Amino acid sequence: QKEVEQNSGPLSVPEGAIASLNCTYSDRGSQSFFWYRQYSGKSPELIMFIYSNGDKEDGRFTAQLNKASQYVSLLIRDSQPSDSATYLCAVNNAGNMLTFGGGTRLMVKP
Amino acid sequence: DAGVIQSPRHEVTEMGQEVTLRCKPISGHNSLFWYRQTMMRGLELLIYFNNNVPIDDSGMPEDRFSAKMPNASFSTLKIQPSEPRDSAVYFCASSLMGQGGEQYFGPGTRLTVT
Repeated sequence: QKEVEQNSGPLSVPEGAIASLNCTYSDRGSQSFFWYRQYSGKSPELIMFIYSNGDKEDGRFTAQLNKASQYVSLLIRDSQPSDSATYLCAVNNAGNMLTFGGGTRLMVKP
Repeated sequence: DAGVIQSPRHEVTEMGQEVTLRCKPISGHNSLFWYRQTMMRGLELLIYFNNNVPIDDSGMPEDRFSAKMPNASFSTLKIQPSEPRDSAVYFCASSLMGQGGEQYFGPGTRLTVT
């Protein structure tokens, strides 16, 4: 059973702080990794993807991948109340299929 | 560019009725996915198609569920007969094969079976 694990939260951070969201996966053969943001009542929105070990930065977002530790994370710098949402980690194991984690609920408090 | 389009956005029906959900993928995408999301079970993959052909339907809960993709721009998910436990949000997503797996989701259909 290929699994993707996330802490369900809620993770509460003050406005302006760095939010750190973590995800572990079980399949060592996983090739690509995705972070989706889902606001309440809305659909998942792709915000970051990463294929290689290391960091990938896009604006206030940084995705980090460590394949040896089977660990992927998302850092959100200068967190804003509008970042409050559920963040879903997804892993591509084979073909086009994604396995999703249960999501981490982030709350950014003004 | 239009994203993934789903209809209806909301559906309320009585137990035993047939429900049909519709999806139009992003133009040029050749993979299509149907998901179901509930609070208890999270986001579950029901079935996916590559080039209009069903590849993996192991997530379809039972024979009451069926999905078709008659052409590259249209897919349906049918539940017959519907049951209260089918109440959920159903998402359609599409992607381009060979591009690493990035999937783009439609707005979803919120189904309530009473």
